[in-house]
Amino acid sequence: NAGVTQTPKFRVLKTGQSMTLLCAQDMNHEYMYWYRQDPGMGLRLIHYSVGEGTTAKGEVPDGYNVSRLKKQNFLLGLESAAPSQTSVYFCASSYLNQPQHFGDGTRLSIL
Amino acid sequence: AQTVTQSQPEMSVQEAETVTLSCTYDTSESDYYLFWYKQPPSRQMILVIRQEAYKQQNATENRFSVNFQKAAKSFSLKISDSQLGDAAMYFCAYRSVRNSGNTPLVFGKGTRLSVIA
Repeated sequence: NAGVTQTPKFRVLKTGQSMTLLCAQDMNHEYMYWYRQDPGMGLRLIHYSVGEGTTAKGEVPDGYNVSRLKKQNFLLGLESAAPSQTSVYFCASSYLNQPQHFGDGTRLSIL
Repeated sequence: AQTVTQSQPEMSVQEAETVTLSCTYDTSESDYYLFWYKQPPSRQMILVIRQEAYKQQNATENRFSVNFQKAAKSFSLKISDSQLGDAAMYFCAYRSVRNSGNTPLVFGKGTRLSVIA
C-alpha cells in the first residue's frame, strides 16, 4: 500500500518556467490538500479538494492552480515560477475524521 | 479563523530526560481535534498523538503524552525518557470537526527539538 505519493521529489526551476507537481493516493480518500512548508512558517494550506472535480483556495493560493480530474490524483501547477515559491510542498489526503496521510514532500527551488 | 501558536522555536533535552513542548490555539469552536506531528530530517510528517476536544482524558502514546487544557486553549506535548531518535521538528496542529472532520489542518510554526547524548 503506497499511501500518498508525490512526484517529483526534487526539482530546480528557472524564474518564469512552469511545472506541475503530482500527488497520487491509493486509499480512495475524498479529501486532498496541498501545503507548503517554509522555514519558521510551519505548513500553510495552498489549495484543497473535497472531491473529484472540486477545488478550493487555502491560505496562500496566489501563483498556484490545481486540478482534481480523478479522485486519486491532485495536481498543483505553477504557471510562471517565482523565487518566492521556493519551498517544500506536501500533499495530504483524508477520509472523514481520520488523521491526514502525508506524502514525503517535494523540494522545489526556483532560481 | 483558527490560529496555532508554538512559542518555543527551539528546545533541547538530555537523553533519558523529560521535555515539554508548548502549544496554544485560538478557536470559537467547541469541538475539534488537536495533533502533534514529528518531522525528522527525512522530512516525513509523522503523527505522534491526537486529542479529541470532547474527551477530557489526556491522550497518551507510549513515551508521548499531552496536557490538554481546553479552557486555557493549551495543548502541550510531554516526551518522557527522551531518545536520540526524538530529535526532530515538532508541529502542533488544529482541525475542525466541520464536514465530518474533513477539513484542512492549521499548523503552528514548529519547535525544533535537539536531544543531547
